[in-house]
Amino acid sequence: QKEVEQNSGPLSVPEGAIASLNCTYSDRVSQSFFWYRQYSGKSPELIMSIYSNGDKEDGRFTAQLNKASQYVSLLIRDSQPSDSATYLCAVDATTDSWGKFQFGAGTQVVVTP
Amino acid sequence: EPEVTQTPSHQVTQMGQEVILRCVPISNHLYFYWYRQILGQKVEFLVSFYNNEISEKSEIFDDQFSVERPDGSNFTLKIRSTKLEDSAMYFCASSDEETGSGANVLTFGAGSRLTVL
Repeated sequence: QKEVEQNSGPLSVPEGAIASLNCTYSDRVSQSFFWYRQYSGKSPELIMSIYSNGDKEDGRFTAQLNKASQYVSLLIRDSQPSDSATYLCAVDATTDSWGKFQFGAGTQVVVTP
Repeated sequence: EPEVTQTPSHQVTQMGQEVILRCVPISNHLYFYWYRQILGQKVEFLVSFYNNEISEKSEIFDDQFSVERPDGSNFTLKIRSTKLEDSAMYFCASSDEETGSGANVLTFGAGSRLTVL
């Protein structure tokens, strides 16, 4: 059974601090990795995609991928109250599955003023 | 910004009734998907659709479910005889290239909340 695991949280972060979220996956052949943000009752919204080992930065967000260790992480710098949401890690399970994402259960982030 | 549109936003139905959820994907996208999220649980893949046929489906997508692209713009999910456990948020998504290519990702619609009584 392919699994994507995340700490459920809540992760409480002071405004202006760095939030660090982690995700591990079980399927070693996974090639594509995504972080989505989901506000309560809303749909997932793409934050970052990452395909190669290393870091990828986009504004206040940095995704890190380590395929050997099968983990992917997301850093949110200068956290804002509007960043309070659930962050979903999604893994495209195999190279021949079109959009068949495995989602983690999500980590709830609460940014406190 | 282009978006995926879903209707209805909320549907309440009686157990055993048929339900059709509708989606208008982004116009130049070629790949279409349905996902669902039971309240408090993970987002789960249901089905992917390309070139007018199902590409892949999950174990959840049994004979009670079907998808169709009846015209050039709509993409529908039909649940033939709803069960209580079908109550969930159903998300439509689309993409314009095969995911995993490094070029594109899924764009999700706002969702259709289905409540089965």
